[in-house]
Amino acid sequence: KAGVTQTPRYLIKTRGQQVTLSCSPISGHRSVSWYQQTPGQGLQFLFEYFSETQRNKGNFPGRFSGRQFSNSRSEMNVSTLELGDSALYLCASSLDGTQYFGPGTRLLVL
Amino acid sequence: SQQGEEDPQALSIQEGENATMNCSYKTSINNLQWYRQNSGRGLVHLILIRSNEREKHSGRLRVTLDTSKKSSSLLITASRAADTASYFCATAPTSGTYKYIFGTGTRLKVLA
Repeated sequence: KAGVTQTPRYLIKTRGQQVTLSCSPISGHRSVSWYQQTPGQGLQFLFEYFSETQRNKGNFPGRFSGRQFSNSRSEMNVSTLELGDSALYLCASSLDGTQYFGPGTRLLVL
Repeated sequence: SQQGEEDPQALSIQEGENATMNCSYKTSINNLQWYRQNSGRGLVHLILIRSNEREKHSGRLRVTLDTSKKSSSLLITASRAADTASYFCATAPTSGTYKYIFGTGTRLKVLA
């Protein structure tokens, strides 16, 4: 089975712009979670989607949003980018509680 | 902070030695998982231990869980240079909206 894929792998944006990241889960996995990883804050949970519904949500501002499609692919959107949004964004898909992570999208906000 | 704490933050050992890293957390959990991350890339799942389990083995990995102390340890035996990575614990709380809470990580360096 193919693993979790994330696109793009690298992204450079400027403050105030918006960005959309994509995640394709392992085939058959219906849960997709998103995480932000920074040197200062570590790995922080953003949200989880299951069958197109947001099931869990972390403590992030409303500028961070996501959605899941009927084929379980998920997108994450960040609007009005801030310098502090520079991070590695990881998505993980899950079938039975074990999470399988993608390689991440490294976002740099200038 | 919601994060768990891992200790030590960094660990440097010789190839062949054992490496032990600890994780403490704050809330009641359904399970605890350990992950490895190489150089800021994706995380690789290592092992899951449920709240009603006390010890679990997988190859050279041994994980213990003490729910009364809200702590877990990961032991890597006979370490290899390829084990050099950051190791994270992640807890699945029984309540609240957080799906998983990750620890701060231990950076392990195994010297050949």
